[in-house]
Amino acid sequence: QVQLVQSGAEVKEPGASVRVSCKASGYTFTSSYMHWVRQAPGQGLEWMGIINLSAAGTSYAQKFRGRVTMTRDTSTSTVYMELNSLRSEDTAVYYCARGFGGSGWGTCFDPWGQGTLVTVSS
Amino acid sequence: EIVLTQSPGTLSLSPGERATLSCRASQSVSSSYLTWYQQKPGQAPRLLMYGASNRATGIPDRFSGTGSGTDFTLTISRLDPEDIAVYYCQQYGSSRYTFGQGTKLEIK
Repeated sequence: QVQLVQSGAEVKEPGASVRVSCKASGYTFTSSYMHWVRQAPGQGLEWMGIINLSAAGTSYAQKFRGRVTMTRDTSTSTVYMELNSLRSEDTAVYYCARGFGGSGWGTCFDPWGQGTLVTVSS
Repeated sequence: EIVLTQSPGTLSLSPGERATLSCRASQSVSSSYLTWYQQKPGQAPRLLMYGASNRATGIPDRFSGTGSGTDFTLTISRLDPEDIAVYYCQQYGSSRYTFGQGTKLEIK
């Protein structure tokens, strides 16, 4: 079955960068798109952006443009999300999720990784 | 950007009762692009319904989705204690994705 396994929790100081990984298995890696969604503690879900796993093209939500970079390594079926210039408001659980439904990007997300908690604190 | 507003914020019902969750969009959403997720405590969200009314794999038929335009509804016909979760609606449009703020379902 399709499975997404993310890297472990991170603690970063304000101004630092964090890179979260998401390893996919159970399907042809380059046949889909991968999204990143985050959830601040006790809050709702926020879409960050998407990467085309075949062509590596990306599209980011306006809020994160200039601070986020999404990449992929086809040799290891792993997707990466790097967020720079971290601030306390970036403390959240970050999820990778495969695009599902429709064509191209997908209309929704399935499955999801287990999530990676990123804590930004001095 | 399309804003999704979910109501109620919290719903407290007894096992066996019927739950009705609402998702209202600030502008019309194609039903093909309206999705519901279930998030249990400490877990990642799980796809529940896509295309407004299609159950995802493994989702029991107690769950159903309806709606069109700006008003969508998720119904759980007979509540089970395992249904305790926060339910989110989500829409796709103009190459962007937005979520509602969620409805927390509590079992009495």
